[in-house]
Amino acid sequence: QQPVQSPQAVILREGEDAVINCSSSKALYSVHWYRQKHGEAPVFLMILLKGGEQKGHDKISASFNEKKQQSSLYLTASQLSYSGTYFCGTENYGGSQGNLIFGKGTKLSVKP
Amino acid sequence: DAGVIQSPRHEVTEMGQEVTLRCKPISGHNSLFWYRQTMMRGLELLIYFNNNVPIDDSGMPEDRFSAKMPNASFSTLKIQPSEPRDSAVYFCASSFQGSAGNTIYFGEGSWLTVV
Repeated sequence: QQPVQSPQAVILREGEDAVINCSSSKALYSVHWYRQKHGEAPVFLMILLKGGEQKGHDKISASFNEKKQQSSLYLTASQLSYSGTYFCGTENYGGSQGNLIFGKGTKLSVKP
Repeated sequence: DAGVIQSPRHEVTEMGQEVTLRCKPISGHNSLFWYRQTMMRGLELLIYFNNNVPIDDSGMPEDRFSAKMPNASFSTLKIQPSEPRDSAVYFCASSFQGSAGNTIYFGEGSWLTVV
């Protein structure tokens, strides 16, 4: 079951913040966040496993709600290098371990 | 440490021709994934191997597609015969399935155009 990402696209000025959401109708085993720049491979950002978990590095962080049905990716004080398409990949309980189902992506454009 | 290596990086072929995409996973990884990415459908999992054994091939579109993993360091995805609608970026990815939350690492992709 494909997770739902929102928004589909967002345009920011450098220094502004953004939140990208990833939702599922069922509780998830894990959520993985990736960023893909045009013409390149998706690059792993972080993984969340536990309900209520929050983690991050630098100015990019993410949360996983207690019910494990929603995750949010937070980008603060955005930089030009943050531009790209962000995907959440979800693992379902009872599914093949490591089998990620990706959302349709959120295209982030950071302007000077 | 080398990442996932895919070849060819770009391929243009005529409809009806056979296409073979190749992948070398990260050394030590025991799971390998083939994904296809298009604007319309996003990132789709085609097939997934664990310890060289196909575990889930429900994403393989039709019989024209086949994938093999003869050993832990090599996999192929074959399309025969190819069709224009197969044009996409094909990503190979690998991970180590040992505990919860396994990070999947992607290769640079093979850009396929079928004319």
